Amino acid sequence: DGGITQSPKYLFRKEGQNVTLSCEQNLNHDAMYWYRQDPGQGLRLIYYSQIVNDFQKGDIAEGYSVSREKKESFPLTVTSAQKNPTAFYLCASSKPGIFGGYTFGSGTRLTVV
Amino acid sequence: SQQGEEDPQALSIQEGENATMNCSYKTSINNLQWYRQNSGRGLVHLILIRSNEREKHSGRLRVTLDTSKKSSSLLITASRAADTASYFCARETSGSRLTFGEGTQLTVNP
Repeated sequence: DGGITQSPKYLFRKEGQNVTLSCEQNLNHDAMYWYRQDPGQGLRLIYYSQIVNDFQKGDIAEGYSVSREKKESFPLTVTSAQKNPTAFYLCASSKPGIFGGYTFGSGTRLTVV
Repeated sequence: SQQGEEDPQALSIQEGENATMNCSYKTSINNLQWYRQNSGRGLVHLILIRSNEREKHSGRLRVTLDTSKKSSSLLITASRAADTASYFCARETSGSRLTFGEGTQLTVNP
């Protein structure tokens, strides 16, 4: 079945550590996105990529980095510069120009310990 | 700012009743989408309405869009306990970017 896989489901980070969240899709979608969700709130865009080897900052990119070396993969690194990283992170993909909406992964819950 | 608001923030109804959620926005849009999120899970796309459409149906869902008022509503008819979830509207403005509202938490009591 086609879909988006995020891993791990839960992740614990110590202060000062970088961590990388994985996002893989087999939907042949060109565009991929990373969102952050805080408790009881909506989604805020961190980074997005509309094509391989290209990505753009979203609304809250500070303290995060991404890469898009393959169409299927869009990993997100939460760096030590992100002062409040505890949140639920959601990856999504879409096929631009096709009115079908986004497909979301099941999310990674990151906690700073 | 999420460039929009949803109301109510929370809605509690009995099974069989209809649930209406509203979404307002500030900038022009290409389309507006509604998503559902069960607790601790990813979002699921429910329905998309284009800026030149006024109403759309999908099963028990009915979405309206009023671009002059910059508002949309999602109606779930004959609600079920399994409809309990958070519902988000999302505006597509340009470059396939979606801006999400803060959501409505719907609780359907059996």
